Amino acid sequence: QSVLTQPPSVSGAPGQRVTISCTGSSSNIGPGYHVHWYQQLPGTAPKLLIYGNTNRPSGVPDRFSGSKSGTSASLAINGLQAEDEADYYCQSYDSSLSGVVFGGGTKLTV
Amino acid sequence: EVHLLESGGGFVQPGGSLRLSCAASRFTFSSYGMSWVRQAPGKGLEWVSKISGGGGSRYYADSVKGRFTISRDNSKNTLYLQMNSLRAEDTAVYYCAKDDSYYFESWGQGTLVTVSS
Repeated sequence: QSVLTQPPSVSGAPGQRVTISCTGSSSNIGPGYHVHWYQQLPGTAPKLLIYGNTNRPSGVPDRFSGSKSGTSASLAINGLQAEDEADYYCQSYDSSLSGVVFGGGTKLTV
Repeated sequence: EVHLLESGGGFVQPGGSLRLSCAASRFTFSSYGMSWVRQAPGKGLEWVSKISGGGGSRYYADSVKGRFTISRDNSKNTLYLQMNSLRAEDTAVYYCAKDDSYYFESWGQGTLVTVSS
């Protein structure tokens, strides 16, 4: 059971928009805490997609966006492409556990 | 571009030990915290341990506390994870990651650790 809760799977057709939710608590996604997102393509290492709730590293397409509200966060992917098919993980820091926590991951099918 | 290369994975019996290494390049290694993150086969990501840039602060997940030790040699730009008293549930791909204030900007390709009798 992961500290951060994500849906196990989402799907969408090419060109559509999908969102992936990440639900936590006041000790991890609450005020003052940041949420980060990673994309893991099959058989590869995770790649940072969004950091600090809404920021994209250089090279990440602007089709990917992040948001946070209260103790939940979301990753949105616009204009779905076949290459977006991957596992997506949210991540934060948990003050009660004094460590980094991940969501269980969401498998995106395009 | 940051480069991280893990090594040292392999097959070990329960109760055994293994030391992982992560060679870092193309950034100022001593200026950054580093973490180990693992992924059991078919499962999600689990943070294992973090060490500060200077090595003076170390943090561990409860699941490995007392069994694993993180360390670094800034003169060699290398991160280590000493794993003792290994259990079957420690079987995973272990990634080292550059830790930018508790998020992971760059990852290595991972090294597989299999604990089995």
